Amino acid sequence: SYVLTQPPSVSVAPGKTARITCGGNNFGSVSVHWYQQRPGQAPMLVIYHDRDRPSGIPERFSGSNFGNTATLTISRVEAGDEADYYCQVWDISSDHPVVFGGGTKLTVL
Amino acid sequence: QVQLQQSGPGLVKPSQTLSLTCAISGDTVSSRSAAWNWIRQSPLRGLEWLGRTYYRSKWSNDYALSVKSRIIINPDTSKNQFSLQLNSVTPEDTAVYYCARGVLAGTGDALDIWGQGTMVTVSS
Repeated sequence: SYVLTQPPSVSVAPGKTARITCGGNNFGSVSVHWYQQRPGQAPMLVIYHDRDRPSGIPERFSGSNFGNTATLTISRVEAGDEADYYCQVWDISSDHPVVFGGGTKLTVL
Repeated sequence: QVQLQQSGPGLVKPSQTLSLTCAISGDTVSSRSAAWNWIRQSPLRGLEWLGRTYYRSKWSNDYALSVKSRIIINPDTSKNQFSLQLNSVTPEDTAVYYCARGVLAGTGDALDIWGQGTMVTVSS
């Protein structure tokens, strides 16, 4: 089954670009989804199927998936982007088919 | 606009049953293009998917192996909601519990709508 590895924390200055990675084996065969969770709130889907944005998510949020690494990129970072970010995949062959990464705390300096 | 509204007690005694309900508005529990999930979150285990119920030509469930012997997720078409039952709880089941809608996106579901969360504490 998949083990998704994320860095515990990423820091970025306002207006700069944040990149949050999610490492896993054989990512090329599965779709990766990304969630934002602000303190005290439920997670919110920000990227699905590697690179697609739900309606209402700013274009500043983008995703990619190459080889064994998926990346969430946040351009022109704002203070309101400070949150925890989680990647997620489905592994239908697993006893735990929905797998989440451990999360990355994005700090806006 | 789809919304999920959770309800249920925030305190459960050890060995008893945790029961939560998730009411759906803006979609139907018997939708053939959605699945209805329960996820929990704790500092120790992070986000942990528990299971789901969904209707295609019949009702089906998938459960995480870690809770499979203790969990039941049921749809209620008359009230357009679904429920979580977790039996024989221990303090390790203390967590924030979320319901969420899953929709197919690529090779697997994305959880695009979430309930507000319910903090459940298992304690005597």
